[in-house]
Amino acid sequence: AQKITQTQPGMFVQEKEAVTLDCTYDTSDQSYGLFWYKQPSSGEMIFLIYQGSYDEQNATEGRYSLNFQKARKSANLVISASQLGDSAMYFCAMREAPMNRDDKIIFGKGTRLHILP
Amino acid sequence: GAVVSQHPSRVICKSGTSVKIECRSLDFQATTMFWYRQFPKQSLMLMATSNEGSKATYEQGVEKDKFLINHASLTLSTLTVTSAHPEDSSFYICSASRRGGRETQYFGPGTRLLVL
Repeated sequence: AQKITQTQPGMFVQEKEAVTLDCTYDTSDQSYGLFWYKQPSSGEMIFLIYQGSYDEQNATEGRYSLNFQKARKSANLVISASQLGDSAMYFCAMREAPMNRDDKIIFGKGTRLHILP
Repeated sequence: GAVVSQHPSRVICKSGTSVKIECRSLDFQATTMFWYRQFPKQSLMLMATSNEGSKATYEQGVEKDKFLINHASLTLSTLTVTSAHPEDSSFYICSASRRGGRETQYFGPGTRLLVL
């Protein structure tokens, strides 16, 4: 069963607008961690933001925020004031043992974001 | 800090040859290293997890005799694609976890393998 679902294969957004990238996840664990990564055309994986399942507040990192809705098992990424450089592939990911950094991370299929000038 | 390098960044080889890819943590000791494969326009698929000095743990469906992983030290893991075939052409990415670091794994820049 797919553990991370990203339903938007591609999105086109006007520059300076806010963007929401959807992510839902499936786990029976009470404790887990959620990640978002950006992958530009160069291929490098850039860590954007992390949310622990027990964190009461939504995570924020600069222009990135994670809209964490635990009951809905949803972890959407919000990018405020989008820029042309935000055009990339975005992956939602999960680790089911967040305190153990040696455990594996599972990735969703990704959303390709295009920012239009 | 927390830089991970990969070498080579791209490699082209003939079918039937073996290719070795190195993954190094440059400024920290990696407790665990991970190897991923990414086909064009697809997601990262975990191939195996390796710890220094022990055998790698392979994901279901990954041939351990074809994808040899050696984790010789706390800063170096190697992936050898043995008897490579065109279907092995892919983008291979390693990552490393760092005790005391951020929650994320630290990713290398990836290696593009093309098998002719």
